[in-house]
Amino acid sequence: AQSVSQHNHHVILSEAASLELGCNYSYGGTVNLFWYVQYPGQHLQLLLKYFSGDPLVKGIKGFEAEFIKSKFSFNLRKPSVQWSDTAEYFCAVKNNQGGKLIFGQGTELSVKP
Amino acid sequence: AAGVIQSPRHLIKEKRETATLKCYPIPRHDTVYWYQQGPGQDPQFLISFYEKMQSDKGSIPDRFSAQQFSDYHSELNMSSLELGDSALYFCASRLGGSSYNSPLHFGNGTRLTVT
Repeated sequence: AQSVSQHNHHVILSEAASLELGCNYSYGGTVNLFWYVQYPGQHLQLLLKYFSGDPLVKGIKGFEAEFIKSKFSFNLRKPSVQWSDTAEYFCAVKNNQGGKLIFGQGTELSVKP
Repeated sequence: AAGVIQSPRHLIKEKRETATLKCYPIPRHDTVYWYQQGPGQDPQFLISFYEKMQSDKGSIPDRFSAQQFSDYHSELNMSSLELGDSALYFCASRLGGSSYNSPLHFGNGTRLTVT
């Protein structure tokens, strides 16, 4: 069965630190990959997505992610975090059958001012 | 721009009662997904609809049912509520079913509290 694993449950960083959140998935076929963010009290919002092409994907608010097919990974990165990046981040995978998203467990990011 | 609208925002029910959650997708979106997010948990897929037909089914209890109407809005009906049903219920929509490379757009969710 398809699954998504996010390595870090809770990450605490100071402002201006660099961020990398790990995401690995298990599915051998073609997948679409997503990172969603959920700010406190808000709904899930799309940060970025990968469907095909350049494996380095740039999203909103300075986030980027790299799809490494050989490692089944889609890690999220940001060179310099801000206090406003405090949120929960979900990696998600969709295969080309059915269309539903499978979410990872989420990583809570706390950025100290 | 119009977003996915869910109602109500908050709902408090007692055990064994019923609840109906509503989801209005983005205009022209024909595909709706329902997710349940328990406290401190990741969203779990419940059920989806495409063109008013159920397209996929996840971990939805038999006590729950859902449908998509002709205007593409969807309703999640929950009966014999249990304490463990307390969660945030997200609805999401996209255009074109699973075959299109379009991301989901989520609503704000309905927070259901069962007492």
